[in-house]
Amino acid sequence: GAVVSQHPSWVICKSGTSVKIECRSLDFQATTMFWYRQFPKQSLMLMATSNEGSKATYEQGVEKDKFLINHASLTLSTLTVTSAHPEDSSFYICSARSSGQPQHFGDGTRLSIL
Amino acid sequence: QKEVEQNSGPLSVPEGAIASLNCTYSDRGSQSFFWYRQYSGKSPELIMFIYSNGDKEDGRFTAQLNKASQYVSLLIRDSQPSDSATYLCAVGDGGTSYGKLTFGQGTILTVHP
Repeated sequence: GAVVSQHPSWVICKSGTSVKIECRSLDFQATTMFWYRQFPKQSLMLMATSNEGSKATYEQGVEKDKFLINHASLTLSTLTVTSAHPEDSSFYICSARSSGQPQHFGDGTRLSIL
Repeated sequence: QKEVEQNSGPLSVPEGAIASLNCTYSDRGSQSFFWYRQYSGKSPELIMFIYSNGDKEDGRFTAQLNKASQYVSLLIRDSQPSDSATYLCAVGDGGTSYGKLTFGQGTILTVHP
């Protein structure tokens, strides 16, 4: 149980393009989803917390106009990196949880901006 | 600012030994504590979670929590080479922040044959 699917697993694209990453909870309804970013040899840094049907809460220093989060249903959240640049290259990981339960992580998306 | 500190690594143990991973946290109001394992290039995988003081055992893994000392640990018995990974300690917010976690920097564990 508690399977979280993230797609795509890796993306390579040109600078200036927008990239959408999907996060789905496959066997449970996720009341909350989280988006993290992880740079090499560093720990996870929370970007934003997303609750179904409401606006995401962004962590300090994360540009909400650049990292658009949509949590349209209890099983799907999307992160769109708009006008991506090389410094946005990173490992993006989503997690999902239902009330009272631990977070379970997707497999991550490795984003490379050329 | 909430902080989670893990013992500096890397930690190297021989196969079959006990690996001990430690973590301290700054927010005394924290209510939930998690250990995740992350293999290189992969996302974190939940190993254990603990909410109450004392020990919690699951197979070869034991989590220990001492809220008075703001300390949580993970013991891995009979360590195997497949246990080699980065172990992340995470502490949950006890308030209304929808289960937000603060992660430690991770401890790299190597189990050598």
